[in-house]
Amino acid sequence: QKEVEQDPGPLSVPEGAIVSLNCTYSNSAFQYFMWYRQYSRKGPELLMYTYSSGNKEDGRFTAQVDKSSKYISLFIRDSQPSDSATYLCAMRPYNFNKFYFGSGTKLNVKP
Amino acid sequence: EPEVTQTPSHQVTQMGQEVILRCVPISNHLYFYWYRQILGQKVEFLVSFYNNEISEKSEIFDDQFSVERPDGSNFTLKIRSTKLEDSAMYFCASRPGTRATDTQYFGPGTRLTVL
Repeated sequence: QKEVEQDPGPLSVPEGAIVSLNCTYSNSAFQYFMWYRQYSRKGPELLMYTYSSGNKEDGRFTAQVDKSSKYISLFIRDSQPSDSATYLCAMRPYNFNKFYFGSGTKLNVKP
Repeated sequence: EPEVTQTPSHQVTQMGQEVILRCVPISNHLYFYWYRQILGQKVEFLVSFYNNEISEKSEIFDDQFSVERPDGSNFTLKIRSTKLEDSAMYFCASRPGTRATDTQYFGPGTRLTVL
């Protein structure tokens, strides 16, 4: 079983839609959870960072962590064409210096 | 805003040659990383580096690879005797490391093409 599973998509939505992106994981030791956005041929850009369970909101983005289900989500409200990119989830255990990435979900927001 | 920089942006080399990829992490960050992303595939962890030594490495990071922090600013990845399958984007990242809750920031990447 892979450490981190993420649906590769592609996910295509109309402008203004609410987007839901998800990852599941198998290692209960993961404590820190991140979402990155990656445009084509660019480096990943940190979007959201959460510790342990709960929600975190930043503008149009909301990150949720459910440790009991080993499931994390990123919600994008009022999606824009500029949100079209690949979204990567990443996570790591406490006091461990290695980050585990999902395979990325490609999102296309149509004008 | 400070950022991680990488040079060159694109490196073309012949199979069997050695390449050195360079990174300048964000100043005052303590943890450094190299990742690889083959075109269309996931970001793969290669190695992490702290206090002038490797802290973790993946199965990919075999004897062909080495990392070095030759001075106070640069962080390099050397690939000896490159193979065709080493063609990928290589990303450097750095992390402050001052709090357990901080995270890493990526550079723009170096595209390595092995012919």
